[in-house]
Amino acid sequence: AQSVTQPDIHITVSEGASLELRCNYSYGATPYLFWYVQSPGQGLQLLLKYFSGDTLVQGIKGFEAEFKRSQSSFNLRKPSVHWSDAAEYFCAVLSGGYNKLIFGAGTRLAVHP
Amino acid sequence: EAGVTQFPSHSVIEKGQTVTLRCDPISGHDNLYWYRRVMGKEIKFLLHFVKESKQDESGMPNNRFLAERTGGTYSTLKVQPAELEDSGVYFCASSWTAYEQYFGPGTRLTVT
Repeated sequence: AQSVTQPDIHITVSEGASLELRCNYSYGATPYLFWYVQSPGQGLQLLLKYFSGDTLVQGIKGFEAEFKRSQSSFNLRKPSVHWSDAAEYFCAVLSGGYNKLIFGAGTRLAVHP
Repeated sequence: EAGVTQFPSHSVIEKGQTVTLRCDPISGHDNLYWYRRVMGKEIKFLLHFVKESKQDESGMPNNRFLAERTGGTYSTLKVQPAELEDSGVYFCASSWTAYEQYFGPGTRLTVT
């Protein structure tokens, strides 16, 4: 069955530090992968997506993610975190029917000044 | 361009009552989806409309949930009667294709 695992429920980093949020997926074919962010009081915003091609994808707000097929991973990174990045981050894979997203449990990021 | 809107933002009802959630998709989006997140767990798919037709309702938990999409525009999700385990955040999303779904802010439902 298709699934997404985000091993870290909570992460705390200092402002200016680098960030990596982990995501592992289980999917039989080439996955369509997404990262969404939910800031307090806001809806889910798409940060970036991977469909094919270059395995390093750039997104909004200075985020990037790298698709590694051998590790079934799609980790999200940012070189320098800002206080406004404090939010909950969700990794997702598009289902085999190409109509619904399967989400991980989310990682809540706290940023210390 | 207006995004996906949902109403109400928060609803508190008693067990056994009825609640109706509304979603207005981005204009022109034929695809509309409902998801929900219960008790801090994963966000889970409920159903998918293409225009006014239900394309996939495999995620609907039981027959207390009824979704409609009038004229292929806005959608409602009715829970009748509500149970405690229905508490959570209900998200709506819309899209041209499934590859980029735009989400609304969600409706937080609390059943007491």
